[in-house]
Amino acid sequence: ELKVEQNPLFLSMQEGKNYTIYCNYSTTSDRLYWYRQDPGKSLESLFVLLSNGAVKQEGRLMASLDTKARLSTLHITAAVHDLSATYFCAAKPGGATNKLIFGTGTLLAVQP
Amino acid sequence: DTEVTQTPKHLVMGMTNKKSLKCEQHMGHRAMYWYKQKAKKPPELMFVYSYEKLSINESVPSRFSPECPNSSLLNLHLHALQPEDSALYLCASSQDKNRGQGYTFGSGTRLTVV
Repeated sequence: ELKVEQNPLFLSMQEGKNYTIYCNYSTTSDRLYWYRQDPGKSLESLFVLLSNGAVKQEGRLMASLDTKARLSTLHITAAVHDLSATYFCAAKPGGATNKLIFGTGTLLAVQP
Repeated sequence: DTEVTQTPKHLVMGMTNKKSLKCEQHMGHRAMYWYKQKAKKPPELMFVYSYEKLSINESVPSRFSPECPNSSLLNLHLHALQPEDSALYLCASSQDKNRGQGYTFGSGTRLTVV
């Protein structure tokens, strides 16, 4: 059964700094997703990564996927306060299933 | 229309009540989902409907009863809930498993069981 883990669980960083959130998954996955969730709100889709070596960037966020290592990363460049939120990765198991399994989440707090 | 609409946004119900959560999408997605999210935890999958048929039930207690009347609508019927069922209930939709990329989530229903 696919399990998805993230680290760190909590990240406090200063504005202007760079950091990376890691997402590991336990078995074959053919799609990897990153979502942002603000307190009390729903999930906002950030990135969809479909293949090994995929890299996507939007603003200060960049996501990558290494299917051989079963690892995805979300890199934050020059953080700003507006990026404060909880970030989830989620993986779809390989094969004919619609399941989407979420990681544990990373609470990001960007301090001025 | 690129949204998943959930109603109501907030619901307070007693343990003997019967209520329903509703979810609607008009993106032509043929897979729809219910997730439950407790505070500070990731969403947990409850049910998956594919082409209006229940394809996955993650061992959810029978006090939760899903229904998919047509390809655009998904309901979650609630009966005899417990206080520990209080959570954010999220509906999502996607294209079928062999195509498409994204899962679109609704804004959720915040359920409180008293």
